[in-house]
Amino acid sequence: DAGITQSPRHKVTETGTPVTLRCHQTENHRYMYWYRQDPGHGLRLIHYSYGVKDTDKGEVSDGYSVSRSKTEDFLLTLESATSSQTSVYFCAIRDAGSGANVLTFGAGSRLTVL
Amino acid sequence: AQTVTQSQPEMSVQEAETVTLSCTYDTSESNYYLFWYKQPPSRQMILVIRQEAYKQQNATENRFSVNFQKAAKSFSLKISDSQLGDTAMYFCASSVKAGSYQLTFGKGTKLSVIP
Repeated sequence: DAGITQSPRHKVTETGTPVTLRCHQTENHRYMYWYRQDPGHGLRLIHYSYGVKDTDKGEVSDGYSVSRSKTEDFLLTLESATSSQTSVYFCAIRDAGSGANVLTFGAGSRLTVL
Repeated sequence: AQTVTQSQPEMSVQEAETVTLSCTYDTSESNYYLFWYKQPPSRQMILVIRQEAYKQQNATENRFSVNFQKAAKSFSLKISDSQLGDTAMYFCASSVKAGSYQLTFGKGTKLSVIP
């Protein structure tokens, strides 16, 4: 168990409201990722982090921001949620000990934007 | 940039039979990894099997094995003796060996195992 906790697990919000999803890990992994999963698209990378305060954009970063002020926490923020951001969001960590670029995923957070 | 293509949106197989899921990929990198992840109805992403591109030998994990054809950029997953618990979405993914280590996923294949 990689000790990844996502919160909240489910959220319903209205268009235009800010939303923050939290990913917490307990094993001091350097690399953390946020993906979104949509039917017909698989999982697509939003942002990732390679250390405290070190982040970079992924394939679908528009409308999202991230922050990592502590090794254990990686936050994903939707500044003004839109219906197109209704999705399931997965956090992942890279297990450097695996030697094979294995990513381990959290349980996912389902976000519905009305 | 890497791309991963899964051409079979849905498949079904009888319990105890064998099924093969297809995946093709494209990358300009020489060092990379390939993966199959399983997502059951619980939504949890579970690593099934992984393959390092420089290794000629096909990876095997119990009932799961891959057919890695590097020149053809093909990475298929074979499930033998299919079980009801194999019912899930299966995602093929690729990753370069260095850099961001991010995974690039295909769109998935929904596998149903029929009793």
